[in-house]
Amino acid sequence: GEQVEQLPSILRVQEGSSASINCTYENSASNYFPWYKQEPGENPKLIIDIRSNMERKQTQGLIVLLDKKAKRFSLHITDTQPGDSAMYFCAASARSGGNYKPTFGKGTSLVVHP
Amino acid sequence: DMKVTQMPRYLIKRMGENVLLECGQDMSHETMYWYRQDPGLGLQLIYISYDVDSNSEGDIPKGYRVSRKKREHFSLILDSAKTNQTSVYFCASSFSRADTEVFFGKGTRLTVV
Repeated sequence: GEQVEQLPSILRVQEGSSASINCTYENSASNYFPWYKQEPGENPKLIIDIRSNMERKQTQGLIVLLDKKAKRFSLHITDTQPGDSAMYFCAASARSGGNYKPTFGKGTSLVVHP
Repeated sequence: DMKVTQMPRYLIKRMGENVLLECGQDMSHETMYWYRQDPGLGLQLIYISYDVDSNSEGDIPKGYRVSRKKREHFSLILDSAKTNQTSVYFCASSFSRADTEVFFGKGTRLTVV
């Protein structure tokens, strides 16, 4: 199977600064790395993803980086706003026997202080 | 509007009672999942279903079973619920067996007393 470690578990930043969340994975066959945002009382929703044929992807203030050699990927939120406060989950998806199974990290609680 | 629907949203059961959590999706997704979410533990996969009657254990299947008789429905059953099964349960689905976005339902908060 796959193991995904996500750090930090809690991240507090000031509004306007950047926030970074890091994840590592074990299975070199993992090839899809999505990031989900979960607001309080809500369901997780995909915010950005990256595939193994890319090293960097950027959209709407979000940057994801993938280092396949180090088996590490990260989410960077630039110019954080109070609305970015939420739980963030990384995931790694690997193929096993013809099927894919995503494995999630334990999550990072991001708090953006005004 | 594509969505995953879970019923009920809140449920209180006594220890030893049977629990049925229902999930439906309207996106014709082949793959469906059941996760539980507990503080500090993230999203733990209970079962994954790749199609009708094609179910596989996830990481924490003990104490649970599932049923998928139609592609759009996936049920989670707790036979004789235990207090440590108190949690928020999320059903999810994804398109085909490829590596794609997972769509989550709103969750069911189950309390076993």
